[in-house]
Amino acid sequence: DIVMTQSPDSLAVSLGERATINCKSSQSVLYSSNNKNYLAWYQQKPGQPPTLLVYWASTREFGVPDRFSGSGSGTDFTLTISGLQAEDVAVYYCQQYFSTPNTFGQGTKLEIK
Amino acid sequence: QVQLQESGPGLVKPSQTLSLTCTVSGGSISSGSHYWSWIRQPAGKGLEWIGHIYTSGSTSYNPSLNPSLKSRVTISVDTSKNQFSLKLSSVTAADTAVYYCARGSTVAANPYFDYWGQGTLVTVSS
Repeated sequence: DIVMTQSPDSLAVSLGERATINCKSSQSVLYSSNNKNYLAWYQQKPGQPPTLLVYWASTREFGVPDRFSGSGSGTDFTLTISGLQAEDVAVYYCQQYFSTPNTFGQGTKLEIK
Repeated sequence: QVQLQESGPGLVKPSQTLSLTCTVSGGSISSGSHYWSWIRQPAGKGLEWIGHIYTSGSTSYNPSLNPSLKSRVTISVDTSKNQFSLKLSSVTAADTAVYYCARGSTVAANPYFDYWGQGTLVTVSS
């Protein structure tokens, strides 16, 4: 199985500042034949299901604010939230869908400083 | 707008079978190329993919969840009701979790999940 490791486990960021969450896969999730990274990001607010933010490592899902951006390739990925808002308090997960079983990171809890 | 809703018992006794149904609205479960999936989340923990059934009817299960989840799980679809279901046999306390149904989308062999149900808590206890 591909192990997804996120860092940090938690972070506190001031309103309006930038939050950066990292995700590292135990093997590359870049498919060479189409040059796509099989990596998605989700946001989960308390008591709610996860919602898709980003797929193919950097493609924002329809309706997701443009302050959310994904980057990276191969084994190292980043979710950046620019201009943190109070509604962004949540746990964020990365997920690889390169191979079976698809696997999630352990989550990063984002709070307001 | 596609919507998914889980239903089923919230309490299951050890060694019995957990049965959940996901009702899909806002679109046909048999159209397009989607993976109708089950994912669970133990309290305070992360997300675990259980398995999915593809639009064609083929299934895939997570071989890595313990104890030997793959031998205990069955995912099926009822296109006439626009529903898909999860059956997990011989449950133990370790199967206590919030269970989500989700729609997976991708052109690849595995999906990312673009629509989720609200989740249903299933507790395994006598």
